[in-house]
Amino acid sequence: EAGVAQSPRYKIIEKRQSVAFWCNPISGHATLYWYQQILGQGPKLLIQFQNNGVVDDSQLPKDRFSAERLKGVDSTLKIQPAKLEDSAVYLCASSSDRTGHGYTFGSGTRLTVV
Amino acid sequence: QQQVKQSPQSLIVQKGGISIINCAYENTAFDYFPWYQQFPGKGPALLIAIRPDVSEKKEGRFTISFNKSAKQFSLHIMDSQPGDSATYFCAATLGGATNKLIFGTGTLLAVQP
Repeated sequence: EAGVAQSPRYKIIEKRQSVAFWCNPISGHATLYWYQQILGQGPKLLIQFQNNGVVDDSQLPKDRFSAERLKGVDSTLKIQPAKLEDSAVYLCASSSDRTGHGYTFGSGTRLTVV
Repeated sequence: QQQVKQSPQSLIVQKGGISIINCAYENTAFDYFPWYQQFPGKGPALLIAIRPDVSEKKEGRFTISFNKSAKQFSLHIMDSQPGDSATYFCAATLGGATNKLIFGTGTLLAVQP
């Protein structure tokens, strides 16, 4: 089966600009996650979708971050305006059931804010 | 406490040696403990996982040892190979409606030929 697709792979923006990341999960996977991985740290969950509904967005900085999953398939994560501390790799993952076991991660988008 | 503490931060092992990475947790509600392997430029990939009712799980050269009373678990890589050089993350999930992974801080493993 095809993996989790993410684009772009890399993005460099200036602070206060906006940026969007796209994720296409594995076909049929109902659960989709966005994680933020700062250099030297483990990934941290930003938001979890079950189909097109939000299950957990408790750690999403909602004043600047937004995410949507229209039609329960693709998802977009947006940052507006970006700050220097948003520099990180943004990982998308999907799983086929609600247990969360057996996540499949994409390769991520590396964001650099200058 | 929703934290998973991981050590060491980095590890250098000779080819053929045993690599050992340790993790500890506080929250006894965690119900699933996976280990992920991450190569540069790639997302984490599930390596092996264990539930708290099992004390050990082995898959090939990779073994998880789980000590429920001590709230600790570890990854052992036997006969370490240069191709094992990567960052390893332990993680835990709480179950329930949200099964988010709570990751440790990672261990950078270098296996020298």
